[in-house]
Amino acid sequence: GENVEQHPSTLSVQEGDSAVIKCTYSDSASNYFPWYKQELGKRPQLIIDIRSNVGEKKDQRIAVTLNKTAKHFSLHITETQPEDSAVYFCAASPWLNTNAGKSTFGDGTTLTVKP
Amino acid sequence: EPEVTQTPSHQVTQMGQEVILRCVPISNHLYFYWYRQILGQKVEFLVSFYNNEISEKSEIFDDQFSVERPDGSNFTLKIRSTKLEDSAMYFCASRGGGLNEQFFGPGTRLTVL
Repeated sequence: GENVEQHPSTLSVQEGDSAVIKCTYSDSASNYFPWYKQELGKRPQLIIDIRSNVGEKKDQRIAVTLNKTAKHFSLHITETQPEDSAVYFCAASPWLNTNAGKSTFGDGTTLTVKP
Repeated sequence: EPEVTQTPSHQVTQMGQEVILRCVPISNHLYFYWYRQILGQKVEFLVSFYNNEISEKSEIFDDQFSVERPDGSNFTLKIRSTKLEDSAMYFCASRGGGLNEQFFGPGTRLTVL
């Protein structure tokens, strides 16, 4: 089955710096790669996603890159702000129309942005 | 904007008791999921459901667990005889077709005493 590894487990940056979180996956059938932000006691909130036919996607201060050959994808947050502090999860999913599939999550990265 | 809803938000039960966690997925979605998250840990897949049957289930989803979609709107997770280690946040999710995102519900915090 799918195995997703996420690094680092904790990340502390100064406000205004960039943050990068990396994930690798094992199953070449995975074709959808979301990133979630989770605050304490809340549901995972999708912040950006990328599909297997795309190499990079950007949304304001957030970007994601995907290297299908190497089976890794990364989250980049620029100009970090204290409100970016949260736990971030990557996931890999083999979405098919004939099967519901599943998402396999990484272990999470606790991001702390110091003012 | 449509949302996945879950009830109750918090359930406290005694070990050995049965619990039913309820979810109302987004109305036109086709694919349904249950995940759990033990405090401080990652989100773990339990089961997925499509076309009125289970698509996939994890090792966690043993004979004590079952899912149902009894009508056109609800999606339930039943744990027959709860154990202390079942204490976790349980998230329901639903998805439309294609390579599209899952929408997560707010979760049910299950505490087994």
